Amino acid sequence: SQQGEEDPQALSIQEGENATMNCSYKTSINNLQWYRQNSGRGLVHLILIRSNEREKHSGRLRVTLDTSKKSSSLLITASRAADTASYFCATAVRNTDKLIFGTGTRLQVFP
Amino acid sequence: DAGVIQSPRHEVTEMGQEVTLRCKPISGHNSLFWYRQTMMRGLELLIYFNNNVPIDDSGMPEDRFSAKMPNASFSTLKIQPSEPRDSAVYFCASSWTDGNIQYFGAGTRLSVL
Repeated sequence: SQQGEEDPQALSIQEGENATMNCSYKTSINNLQWYRQNSGRGLVHLILIRSNEREKHSGRLRVTLDTSKKSSSLLITASRAADTASYFCATAVRNTDKLIFGTGTRLQVFP
Repeated sequence: DAGVIQSPRHEVTEMGQEVTLRCKPISGHNSLFWYRQTMMRGLELLIYFNNNVPIDDSGMPEDRFSAKMPNASFSTLKIQPSEPRDSAVYFCASSWTDGNIQYFGAGTRLSVL
């Protein structure tokens, strides 16, 4: 399977703490994206990092990319109960329109 | 724009029946994707279209599944005959080409009894 792997599979933290999720992938990529999925909803795009970038920020989100290790991490700082959701990484495969999604991390933030 | 619109939101059917899921992509997007999500297998790409042409259907599980995109604003995913193992949430997404951001619909939750 080309599917990426994410860890941890599940993460529980208190409001105000930081949450870090990791993603590993297998193919050469154009970019890597992170999506969020609230229960019973579709996926929503959060942030995109290109293959020639190493770090990117958007609000409370920080993404890193290490193409030599084929890995990425998503850091959510000062988490809120509203951040409770599943988070997926997705890699844009070179020369295709496809995104390969990871297995996801379920984040629970307790108030 | 209203975003990607899928219908129905929920579908309950009996084994052997035909099921048709519908999707209206975001206007102006030229790629459309059908995914299936289950607890066991996660999010799987079934098929995707570019400019209404099927590009990669390697994820379609079997001949019981078929997808069409007759024009830029409409696509269907059909299962005939349906089986209980087809029970899942089916998502449609659209984007510009070349690995760009995908916009997902709310999904269709299919239950085959």
